[in-house]
Amino acid sequence: ETGVTQTPRHLVMGMTNKKSLKCEQHLGHNAMYWYKQSAKKPLELMFVYNFKEQTENNSVPSRFSPECPNSSHLFLHLHTLQPEDSALYLCASSQVLYGSGANVLTFGAGSRLTVL
Amino acid sequence: AQSVAQPEDQVNVAEGNPLTVKCTYSVSGNPYLFWYVQYPNRGLQFLLKYITGDNLVKGSYGFEAEFNKSQTSFHLKKPSALVSDSALYFCAVRLDGRRDTGFQKLVFGTGTRLLVSP
Repeated sequence: ETGVTQTPRHLVMGMTNKKSLKCEQHLGHNAMYWYKQSAKKPLELMFVYNFKEQTENNSVPSRFSPECPNSSHLFLHLHTLQPEDSALYLCASSQVLYGSGANVLTFGAGSRLTVL
Repeated sequence: AQSVAQPEDQVNVAEGNPLTVKCTYSVSGNPYLFWYVQYPNRGLQFLLKYITGDNLVKGSYGFEAEFNKSQTSFHLKKPSALVSDSALYFCAVRLDGRRDTGFQKLVFGTGTRLLVSP
């Protein structure tokens, strides 16, 4: 496989469930990101990881818990979600090149989450 | 704070006609600007970027964008639209203008849906 792979592609869960989203990148990148995409809203940056270390947490509620065990894998653990958390969750990766602002993001196809 | 505005929710154009998708930005310092496209059931794909230099930037699939500093705009253009160009287009600005971090923390607009009719 190439690129950025996200599983599952679709997930329906109740408000009391615990589930996880998985992201895997096969590009040799060293930074990974979680974005939330809701209709009619800008993409929201949730978390950034560099070399497995979390470098950004944009005031995301604690019911979202990221995990980055290595530079190729990123998880988003979901617990006690609300209906308004229903959205498309996008994972992305990039190669961190210090001294350059030009590196681009490569996105996965996303995980469509519905919270009942 | 850095921000991006895409004033049009949707742009309709006939195949073969030129298209423009508008984007304006607000940043402190020099802007790093990007366009991404999202096809149905797919993630965002990089189209082009402006970092510095020539104001007219050429990208993938025949798209180009013009950086206008005085108008703080970065409109996406294509001389002749194709039906296959129909998709959701996002303009983005890098969250911090510093070159040294290397992280690509982008602020995205709300997206513009482009519909190209045959």
